[in-house]
Amino acid sequence: GAVVSQHPSWVICKSGTSVKIECRSLDFQATTMFWYRQFPKQSLMLMATSNEGSKATYEQGVEKDKFLINHASLTLSTLTVTSAHPEDSSFYICSARTQGLRNTIYFGEGSWLTVV
Amino acid sequence: RKEVEQDPGPFNVPEGATVAFNCTYSNSASQSFFWYRQDCRKEPKLLMSVYSSGNEDGRFTAQLNRASQYISLLIRDSKLSDSATYLCVVGALTSGTYKYIFGTGTRLKVLA
Repeated sequence: GAVVSQHPSWVICKSGTSVKIECRSLDFQATTMFWYRQFPKQSLMLMATSNEGSKATYEQGVEKDKFLINHASLTLSTLTVTSAHPEDSSFYICSARTQGLRNTIYFGEGSWLTVV
Repeated sequence: RKEVEQDPGPFNVPEGATVAFNCTYSNSASQSFFWYRQDCRKEPKLLMSVYSSGNEDGRFTAQLNRASQYISLLIRDSKLSDSATYLCVVGALTSGTYKYIFGTGTRLKVLA
């Protein structure tokens, strides 16, 4: 079964509106979660690293005011795409890192965002 | 140079064949290594972690070569269901943040 749950799986929104995507770790506490974006036939691109209780660390070129990340608890991180535009349409995936010596990352099921 | 590099393929192999993928990484301070499998339009799923001593899980064997900075994945007795994109992932502490960097993936097609 899934150890990281992502919701919604599919979302269609109008241009200019905001969309929130949730990422939950189900069986473990995740102090660190990651948000990725993947365009068709391309690799996953890290957008930001989300740390519980502190500000997210964004990758170069990712607008922090457009992609708002909140990691308010050890099991939940959210990504809000603000004022979405068609070029934001993509596959957004979160992952959460387990803790311990041999930490592993598990992915959510991903969220397909289509902005029309 | 990309931080993590893979041959994109596709590798087209017949059922039952043995196929190997390599992945090179540039950060010598990298600490964790993984192979993930991603099916079309799905999220990546962990295939196996890669340890310094090498590890095997059924038909899959992963190796790490720190001196040459590459990891490998060997698949024996390929099945049709092995067709997917295989992602190499490398974790390292970068500027105070632990990051996981993905390769672009190697596409495998196992043919009947």
